[in-house]
Amino acid sequence: AQSVTQPDIHITVSEGASLELRCNYSYGATPYLFWYVQSPGQGLQLLLKYFSGDTLVQGIKGFEAEFKRSQSSFNLRKPSVHWSDAAEYFCAVGAGGTSYGKLTFGQGTILTVHP
Amino acid sequence: DTAVSQTPKYLVTQMGNDKSIKCEQNLGHDTMYWYKQDSKKFLKIMFSYNNKELIINETVPNRFSPKSPDKAHLNLHINSLELGDSAVYFCASSQGDSSYGYTFGSGTRLTVV
Repeated sequence: AQSVTQPDIHITVSEGASLELRCNYSYGATPYLFWYVQSPGQGLQLLLKYFSGDTLVQGIKGFEAEFKRSQSSFNLRKPSVHWSDAAEYFCAVGAGGTSYGKLTFGQGTILTVHP
Repeated sequence: DTAVSQTPKYLVTQMGNDKSIKCEQNLGHDTMYWYKQDSKKFLKIMFSYNNKELIINETVPNRFSPKSPDKAHLNLHINSLELGDSAVYFCASSQGDSSYGYTFGSGTRLTVV
């Protein structure tokens, strides 16, 4: 069964600082990997996704993530954080086969941005 | 135009009542989902439908019954509501499997008192 771990429950950064949110997954085959962002009271918005090809993927709002198969990781990065990036971030892994369409989410990482 | 819309946005009801949440998507997607987000923000799949056919039915009490009248709609009916059903319920849709990711609705916050 697939699983996702986000080791950091809460991260605080200063505006303008760089950001890295960690994500480790467990899945037997090549996974589909995603990062979503959730602002308070809102649904989840897709930031970026990986399912094949270049292991460094670019997303919206200046975010990028790198798939590292050897480390089973898919960490999210942003070179310079803006106050509007404060939100909760979820990593997810998807699979086909009998789990057709199912995404398994991590526990989420809350990002606080200090001015 | 909202891509995935859920109604109602908020639902407060007493234990034992029956309630429904509706979801509609106008993206032309063929797969729709219900997820539950608990108080710790943990998201767990409940059901998925592909072209009106039930594909995934996780371990969910049979008080929860999804219905998909067509591929653009997926409703969730809950019988005999319990305190533990309080959560945010998200509808989502995708084209085919999840390889391109989902589009989520804005959620329905259900509070059972």
